[in-house]
Amino acid sequence: DAGVTQSPTHLIKTRGQQVTLRCSPKSGHDTVSWYQQALGQGPQFIFQYYEEEERQRGNFPDRFSGHQFPNYSSELNVNALLLGDSALYLCASSPGTGTRNEQFFGPGTRLTVL
Amino acid sequence: AQSVTQLGSHVSVSEGALVLLRCNYSSSVPPYLFWYVQYPNQGLQLLLKYTTGATLVKGINGFEAEFKKSETSFHLTKPSAHMSDAAEYFCAVRIGGFQKLVFGTGTRLLVSP
Repeated sequence: DAGVTQSPTHLIKTRGQQVTLRCSPKSGHDTVSWYQQALGQGPQFIFQYYEEEERQRGNFPDRFSGHQFPNYSSELNVNALLLGDSALYLCASSPGTGTRNEQFFGPGTRLTVL
Repeated sequence: AQSVTQLGSHVSVSEGALVLLRCNYSSSVPPYLFWYVQYPNQGLQLLLKYTTGATLVKGINGFEAEFKKSETSFHLTKPSAHMSDAAEYFCAVRIGGFQKLVFGTGTRLLVSP
């Protein structure tokens, strides 16, 4: 059983560009959350998708947007990249939105903005 | 708003020694508490969680944590450290009817022979 997968593993962009990161949830999971982990920091919640809609959002600007597809996979889009967007982006999936449900994390996508 | 404080960005122990990683939370309602481990260049793996019930929680790899409401703490312990325990450890809290996790800044555990 494949766990949460993310692509690409690494990405280098320049300021002002746009980037799309992808996530496939663990089999049987329909809820996807995205986190940003800056170097030396703990992960910070960006948003969560369930039934193809954004259900919860953290304190991130509108430059960060997402999408969930009918097969439950998800994309994170970041527009007008800033140097400060350099981070490890983690995707987590769970079976539903219940608070007792464990979130399983993927290995992350390392984004470097030059 | 809920928050998590992890005391000590780095903790060094010798192999076989007790591991103690500290976590304090701030919440006005009963929280769900988690400990995750992150190995280099990998995602997060759940070590253990507290939701309700027994306050002493046992997790994987011999780790355990105790929820102490009076001290607003959820410290992680392991009786005997192994070299393979060297990693970054994150405490996290989840509150209310949402899945959003709020993480601490992490503690890097160093294990020496």
